[in-house]
Amino acid sequence: GENVEQHPSTLSVQEGDSAVIKCTYSDSASNYFPWYKQELGKRPQLIIDIRSNVGEKKDQRIAVTLNKTAKHFSLHITETQPEDSAVYFCAAPQVNTGNQFYFGTGTSLTVIP
Amino acid sequence: DSGVTQTPKHLITATGQRVTLRCSPRSGDLSVYWYQQSLDQGLQFLIQYYNGEERAKGNILERFSAQQFPDLHSELNLSSLELGDSALYFCASSVAPKGDTEAFFGQGTRLTVV
Repeated sequence: GENVEQHPSTLSVQEGDSAVIKCTYSDSASNYFPWYKQELGKRPQLIIDIRSNVGEKKDQRIAVTLNKTAKHFSLHITETQPEDSAVYFCAAPQVNTGNQFYFGTGTSLTVIP
Repeated sequence: DSGVTQTPKHLITATGQRVTLRCSPRSGDLSVYWYQQSLDQGLQFLIQYYNGEERAKGNILERFSAQQFPDLHSELNLSSLELGDSALYFCASSVAPKGDTEAFFGQGTRLTVV
């Protein structure tokens, strides 16, 4: 299946600082790249997504950038707050076998007050 | 509330047993995905159904099977359970067959095999 690698696996930042999480994918035909946030004991929820026809998308304090040539995309969180603490997953579809989502291994983000 | 309903929320069973997990997708969604999340692990894709048909298989064991019914709800059957099958099982639904639209997750079923 699609190989989605995510780094780092853990990330601690001071409140107010920025956090960046990076993912790479293997299927060059992938065309949709969502990011999910999972709080402890809860379901993953979409926070932002990007399609392959744009290079960047922003929604308030979060942004996602996509480099199709290098096959990587990144999540940027600015002015981090304690409630941003969670596990973040990137995902990419396996295009040639049904486009089901393959998720990265997750990044546990801790925002220190 | 995502609109995706999973039952039961918790399940405790013994090794060797068989269980069935149920998922009702959001109204209008035809795709259902099943994922397994073990402790401190990521989301492992198991299987996808679209409009009643199996569309893709991931890392699903032969002891596991699934189906999607005409009313679009889906069931994941886990048999000959082992301790290592203890995990959180999520289903997700989306409107399209392809993975290029948002997938909405249910709250998960926490399976504990003792």
